[in-house]
This record gives sequence, C-alpha cells and structure tokens, in this order.
Amino acid sequence: DQQVKQNSPSLSVQEGRISILNCDYTNSMFDYFLWYKKYPAEGPTFLISISSIKDKNEDGRFTVFLNKSAKHLSLHIVPSQPGDSAVYFCAASEYGGATNKLIFGTGTLLAVQP
Amino acid sequence: KAGVTQTPRYLIKTRGQQVTLSCSPISGHRSVSWYQQTPGQGLQFLFEYFSETQRNKGNFPGRFSGRQFSNSRSEMNVSTLELGDSALYLCASSLEGRVGELFFGEGSRLTVL
Repeated sequence: DQQVKQNSPSLSVQEGRISILNCDYTNSMFDYFLWYKKYPAEGPTFLISISSIKDKNEDGRFTVFLNKSAKHLSLHIVPSQPGDSAVYFCAASEYGGATNKLIFGTGTLLAVQP
Repeated sequence: KAGVTQTPRYLIKTRGQQVTLSCSPISGHRSVSWYQQTPGQGLQFLFEYFSETQRNKGNFPGRFSGRQFSNSRSEMNVSTLELGDSALYLCASSLEGRVGELFFGEGSRLTVL
C-alpha cells in the first residue's frame, strides 16, 4: 500500500524553464512533508520541507506547495539548471516532524536539458 | 565536517547468512535512522535510534535489528538472509530539533545470492 505516490517516473525540462514535480498521498494523518534529491552513487540530500499548517514554502529556486484537500504536494524549481538533474523523492511524516520515520515516494527522475 | 560514514560499502552474502552494517553519524548528531532502498519499493524506513534507544520501528520482520552506541554510532543486523534482502541500506543522521532533515550516507549495497 503506497501511501506516498509519485506517478511520474521521469520528467524532462529545458534549462531555464520551470520543473514541476508532483506527489500525492493517501494518509490524512500526514502533517509534515519533505523533498529530497538524489544523485547516482550518493545518498539523498534534504531540499525543502513544509508543515501542514502552511500551503507554501520557498527556498531560493525551490518552492513547495501543499494542497491538503487534494492530498497533493508539488515542488517547483525555477529556473531549472542542468545540475538539478537527479532523482527527487517526496516524503511524509505523521508526527509533526518529531520523528525520522518518513514515508517516501518512489521518486521522479528529472533531466534538465542544456 | 565529515559526513555520515557507512561501512562496508559493498558486500555479497549467501542465503541464510547474517550481516552487520555500520554507520557513523555526523559529529553532534544523536539521531540515526536506517532505510532500505530497493528498485520496486523505494526507500522504506527500518528504524530510528536516539540516545541508544530505539525511537521508532518500521514494518520489517524481526530478522532486522539495530542498536546505537553511546558515541551515537549505529549498527544494523540482518539474520538469516533472504534473496529479497538485496538492497541499498542507507543510514541517516540528524540534529535534534531538525527532525526529518536527514543527512544520508552513501549506503551499503548488499547482494544476497
């Protein structure tokens, strides 16, 4: 039972354009969400997080949007750069961020074309 | 500042054997979590330790166990290995108060033959 779903296995975007990565969840108890990026042969790297009391959080080129009614999360990268090419995982927690028990999606491979 | 260090990086075992993986967290990080990554299932939470106590456990059989030492270093053990245990095992550490913001190691790649 996949509680966090990333339905797009891959996404290709031109450099300078916006990348939008999507994530859906089924557990209404999730109240803290995160995005991680993973390069080959490296461990995942934390990117950005959002609490369920917010609907948007920005950090530089990265913005995460949360739509609780739709149980939908998205990550916007503007502008996209070739170095952003990686696998992106969304993750969720139902303990208000008070635990490292995260439920991860299966990832989306982003390719930013120069 | 050194990152999370996992050893060994690669290992091959046969069914029925047991394996121990080691993780040294970033200095000052007292929380250590373990995840299993497989192509079909993505990253799945195994367990979390804080101050030598297991704080949380995922849905894995009892063959999977772990512990944390007083210096925050952690080990995980898998006994009676099965083919399906072949995976990348990732360790992550975090600062207290910054829970969820994990610093991952490069992982230990286990192949069970």
